[in-house]
Amino acid sequence: GAVVSQHPSWVICKSGTSVKIECRSLDFQATTMFWYRQFPKQSLMLMATSNEGSKATYEQGVEKDKFLINHASLTLSTLTVTSAHPEDSSFYICSAPWGTQYFGPGTRLLVL
Amino acid sequence: AQRVTQPEKLLSVFKGAPVELKCNYSYSGSPELFWYVQYSRQRLQLLLRHISRESIKGFTADLNKGETSFHLKKPFAQEEDSAMYYCALSSGNAGNMLTFGGGTRLMVKP
Repeated sequence: GAVVSQHPSWVICKSGTSVKIECRSLDFQATTMFWYRQFPKQSLMLMATSNEGSKATYEQGVEKDKFLINHASLTLSTLTVTSAHPEDSSFYICSAPWGTQYFGPGTRLLVL
Repeated sequence: AQRVTQPEKLLSVFKGAPVELKCNYSYSGSPELFWYVQYSRQRLQLLLRHISRESIKGFTADLNKGETSFHLKKPFAQEEDSAMYYCALSSGNAGNMLTFGGGTRLMVKP
């Protein structure tokens, strides 16, 4: 079956720094990928749709300048959390469609 | 706007008991409904989708358009079924985004 990977699996950073999270489709190509955020004991909330070759589409309330998305190739999308703050600490999950949506394992971000 | 509601945050049953996880949705068009499961320390994975009309791990779900529901059922729960279950809706295209319900934690006690 299709596999989606994320890197890193967890990251701790200082407030004010930027963090890049990678999402890769390992055995299929994806012109679209999705980025979700999950707070503890809560559901997944869609942040943005990453589009290969064009700008990402952000959901209402998500700051595009804070959460930079780049869909560099048909197998890679990156989410950069710029000037991270403690309230950005969360679990970030990506997905890519291949018949159905396949999810990455998630990246846990802790901003100190 | 599309919305998915899972009214129960936690459902606790004994092994062998029937299970029903409720899911209601609102969507103006013809949605595609899914159930995803997340076992402890594992990634989210597809359990079943309504268009497949299949049974996975003993679970079934029927789309009821009149009641706008897509409840997940299993006649005899097993301990290994303990997990988080998310109902999700898509506008029908596999490339489209998913809208998730709040999730229901199923605990199956021995």
